[in-house]
Amino acid sequence: ETGVTQTPRHLVMGMTNKKSLKCEQHLGHNAMYWYKQSAKKPLELMFVYNFKEQTENNSVPSRFSPECPNSSHLFLHLHTLQPEDSALYLCASSPGTGFDSNQPQHFGDGTRLSIL
Amino acid sequence: AQKITQTQPGMFVQEKEAVTLDCTYDTSDPSYGLFWYKQPSSGEMIFLIYQGSYDQQNATEGRYSLNFQKARKSANLVISASQLGDSAMYFCAVSAQGGSEKLVFGKGMKLTVNP
Repeated sequence: ETGVTQTPRHLVMGMTNKKSLKCEQHLGHNAMYWYKQSAKKPLELMFVYNFKEQTENNSVPSRFSPECPNSSHLFLHLHTLQPEDSALYLCASSPGTGFDSNQPQHFGDGTRLSIL
Repeated sequence: AQKITQTQPGMFVQEKEAVTLDCTYDTSDPSYGLFWYKQPSSGEMIFLIYQGSYDQQNATEGRYSLNFQKARKSANLVISASQLGDSAMYFCAVSAQGGSEKLVFGKGMKLTVNP
């Protein structure tokens, strides 16, 4: 099992569809993250969860709805997306608040999302 | 707020040569961490190396080393003996308070290793 697993790897959806991205980590971490990576832009942090509680919402539109049922799973529910939402969505995990500062975030392979 | 600047959009290097990837940062936090990640075309972000702001020595990790110049706020990545598999996007990131909970990434730069 790889450390952080994201499904699906690719997703094509219409603007009126509802879909969900899934992330699962097998590292025993307590913090999980969603990032958006658009072409030629830096990674944009979207949401942070620590011990299942959302600690960061980086002004993300409400058409993106995260869910963290436990420390190992993170979802991103999508509805009524726009063409500019087409991007690579990366999930990451880290030990969490209070742990050694040199522990990096571990990323999944990402979901490449295309909005028609 | 933290900020990372990576000004090199792309670099080419011959296999087996060393290459330096530039990164400058800006932060008002007295304690911070600097990270380098590699992103192959497959998409996964792979952690390479970490430097803490209070670390006395430059970090090294195999063929990767970090040239940390605190006064100049630079954290350049040095890859020795480049390999074809090193061809990828490389991202520098800074975190607040030394922890990795909130990383701010640069735009990245593309490294191509030629045979």
